[in-house]
Formats: sequence, structure tokens, C-alpha cells
Amino acid sequence: GAVVSQHPSRVICKSGTSVKIECRSLDFQATTMFWYRQFPKQSLMLMATSNEGSKATYEQGVEKDKFLINHASLTLSTLTVTSAHPEDSSFYICSFREGEEINEQYFGPGTRLTVT
Amino acid sequence: GQSLEQPSEVTAVEGAIVQINCTYQTSGFYGLSWYQQHDGGAPTFLSYNGLDGLEETGRFSSFLSRSDSYGYLLLQELQMKDSASYLCAVMDSNYQLIWGAGTKLIIKP
Repeated sequence: GAVVSQHPSRVICKSGTSVKIECRSLDFQATTMFWYRQFPKQSLMLMATSNEGSKATYEQGVEKDKFLINHASLTLSTLTVTSAHPEDSSFYICSFREGEEINEQYFGPGTRLTVT
Repeated sequence: GQSLEQPSEVTAVEGAIVQINCTYQTSGFYGLSWYQQHDGGAPTFLSYNGLDGLEETGRFSSFLSRSDSYGYLLLQELQMKDSASYLCAVMDSNYQLIWGAGTKLIIKP
């Protein structure tokens, strides 16, 4: 299957700072990537859909000015959490669909963000 | 609203068979998927059912009944490494995955 890398795997930052998470597709070109957030013992929550070369589409309730998504190339998408607060502490996961295979998504290993 | 229901936790014995159910209520339906997620890790794809019936992949099988808005994941010959959370997901009419909260599978020796 396709491989997705995500960096960093863990990050601890102070309240008020910004954190950038990178997601790379290693062996394919991803036209559409998804960013999820998962709180403990809860389901994956879709934050936004990132399309290469165009603006991301955010889910209702997700602040686009706080969670900046850039999908500048077919192999790289970034999520920047700006002015992070403790309530932003969560597990952030990127994912993509490969081509027309809409029934399967590949996930990055996730980033555990802790805001102190 | 859209929702998927699955048990929060299931316990089974090593070597046994376990079934994890999922019922869904979504706007549109393009298929039911199952993912495995170990603690601290990301989900990995297990199976997909677009049509009614049983799909078998090794020790894992998945079943779908669209008329009942119901599916299940069947795990046979359980191994300790199968201890994980299992998430069902439905693709809705917007081609977006709607996720269940996951079922934590606890395997006892």
C-alpha cells in the first residue's frame, strides 16, 4: 500500500506558540489529503480537506485562521496550529485517497500535540 | 444527523472468534470500511464492503447488509497482536468518511 509520513510524531509547545505539522506522500501523488483530529477514546474528527493548488475546505466549527492548511505540492501538505492553547492538545492525523480508490484511505502515523 | 454505533469494548480469548458490530445512519452510502488502530497509532485499512455480503481476507472477514444499515467485522483465530481498536467508517454521499468511535478489543490469554 501507499506510504505516508508525518512529522513530528510528538511535539510539546507552550500556549500561544504555533506548531507546524508536515505530511508527505512518499510513493504517489496525492491530489486530495484530509486532516483529522482525535481526542482520547473518541472517533476521528475531520478538520479539513486539502486540495493541491487550491484552498482547503474546512468542516463546520473548525477555525480556518487557527488551523492553517497548505497543500502546495502533490506530495506535501502542512497543518499549522496557530496560537495553540491547551484545548488544542490532541492527536492530529493526515490521510489521503490514492487516485480513484475512494474506498480506501491511507493515514500518516499521526502527531501527538501537547500544549502546556 | 449522521451517526455510526459500535460497542465501546469487546473482550475475547486468544484463539477464539469475535464479531464487532456497526450500525449506521448516514446521508447516502457508498460503502462500509473497517480500520484497525493500535494505541498511539494511526488507523490502517482492513476491509471494505460496497455490496451486501461477506468479504474475507485471511483471518478477518467483514459483512454488510445495506437494508439493515448494519455490518460487522469478524476476527478468527485471535492473536494477542490483534488487541487494538477497530473503527467502522461509512462513506457518505459527499464521498467523506463518517467514523464510528471505535471498539476496543481486549484479548486475554
